[in-house]
Amino acid sequence: DTGVSQDPRHKITKRGQNVTFRCDPISEHNRLYWYRQTLGQGPEFLTYFQNEAQLEKSRLLSDRFSAERPKGSFSTLEIQRTEQGDSAMYLCASSFKIGQGEDTQYFGPGTRLTVL
Amino acid sequence: KNQVEQSPQSLIILEGKNCTLQCNYTVSPFSNLRWYKQDTGRGPVSLTIMTFSENTKSNGRYTATLDADTKQSSLHITASQLSDSASYICVVSQSSYNTDKLIFGTGTRLQVFP
Repeated sequence: DTGVSQDPRHKITKRGQNVTFRCDPISEHNRLYWYRQTLGQGPEFLTYFQNEAQLEKSRLLSDRFSAERPKGSFSTLEIQRTEQGDSAMYLCASSFKIGQGEDTQYFGPGTRLTVL
Repeated sequence: KNQVEQSPQSLIILEGKNCTLQCNYTVSPFSNLRWYKQDTGRGPVSLTIMTFSENTKSNGRYTATLDADTKQSSLHITASQLSDSASYICVVSQSSYNTDKLIFGTGTRLQVFP
């Protein structure tokens, strides 16, 4: 396992279509995070999972967005009825944290979404 | 409001020169501060992480400092190389037992020219 992987790396879609991204974290990492990054900005937190439980969602995550991590391993992020404003880089990160220990997040390469 | 501000927004230096990037934050409760390097089109890669009690941490040619009293951090790059060209993002962790939230700065875009 060489790191966090994301698929696809690039996605071009028409406005109104649904898209789904996949993230495979580093093996045995119990936490998985999704971020969105627009050009010239730092990543913005969307949501995170501890194992299969979704523990927090940002208010940026509208009802068109849904994320799952059904078996506590890979995760999917789905965007329904895409809008042009959804165009961004979607980053996934994973970490291993127990208790109040340090939580270093390792990022994947991202999926760049372009909504036409 | 929890914010992380970085300066300068962009920087151009010649290969072999040193540079220092700045980060100011207003995040509470503070857990730790990280510097990430992000190449264009790639995910961020962690360079350093410092907790409240740490003042400095090095990773090769990268040295980060933290002043928790003034809520300032800096990243010093020594003897820059062309491969240092990237965005450098300051990230403050607002953590508790149950939740972890990273608050990202907008980054400093560094370009190293030969």
